[in-house]
Amino acid sequence: AQSVTQLGSHVSVSEGALVLLRCNYSSSVPPYLFWYVQYPNQGLQLLLKYTTGATLVKGINGFEAEFKKSETSFHLTKPSAHMSDAAEYFCAVTPSGTYKYIFGTGTRLKVLA
Amino acid sequence: SAVISQKPSRDICQRGTSLTIQCQVDSQVTMMFWYRQQPGQSLTLIATANQGSEATYESGFVIDKFPISRPNLTFSTLTVSNMSPEDSSIYLCSFTTGGAGELFFGEGSRLTVL
Repeated sequence: AQSVTQLGSHVSVSEGALVLLRCNYSSSVPPYLFWYVQYPNQGLQLLLKYTTGATLVKGINGFEAEFKKSETSFHLTKPSAHMSDAAEYFCAVTPSGTYKYIFGTGTRLKVLA
Repeated sequence: SAVISQKPSRDICQRGTSLTIQCQVDSQVTMMFWYRQQPGQSLTLIATANQGSEATYESGFVIDKFPISRPNLTFSTLTVSNMSPEDSSIYLCSFTTGGAGELFFGEGSRLTVL
């Protein structure tokens, strides 16, 4: 069975500081991995995804994530936080070739001025 | 990419009543899904809306409580029946066009049951 664990339900960073949001997964088959962002009163928007190939993937708004199979991780990073990054971030996994998404519990990012 | 819209965006309902949420995509899509996001929690898949046939429900969700229609490849509805305060959630419509399979989401319908 697949599962996703996001460490830290709330993360606070100062504006301009590194953003690191952690995601670990378990999957018995090669996974597809996703990060989504949810701004207040909105639906989820895809930030980036890993399917196959290069393990470092770049997404929108300066975010990137690295798939580390040995660590079963897919942490999300951004070198310099901006106030507009304040939102809730969800990691999700689905076995390749299926549409059964499993979402993590989310991490709410707060950016301090 | 396709645009997806949901309505109502929010509603306040009385216990025991039912509410139907509509989801419209501006192009034909392969698969549509309905998710529930309870306050402070993650997303849980309710069902896959199948065009022309009965929806496929996930464990813990039943058709009598959450009837779903999908009359064509661009439209679906979710009804929350006989509501109780525990049904207060955000209900999200989503779709995938296949391929690498990312989901696209509507803005959600925020339901409060009194």
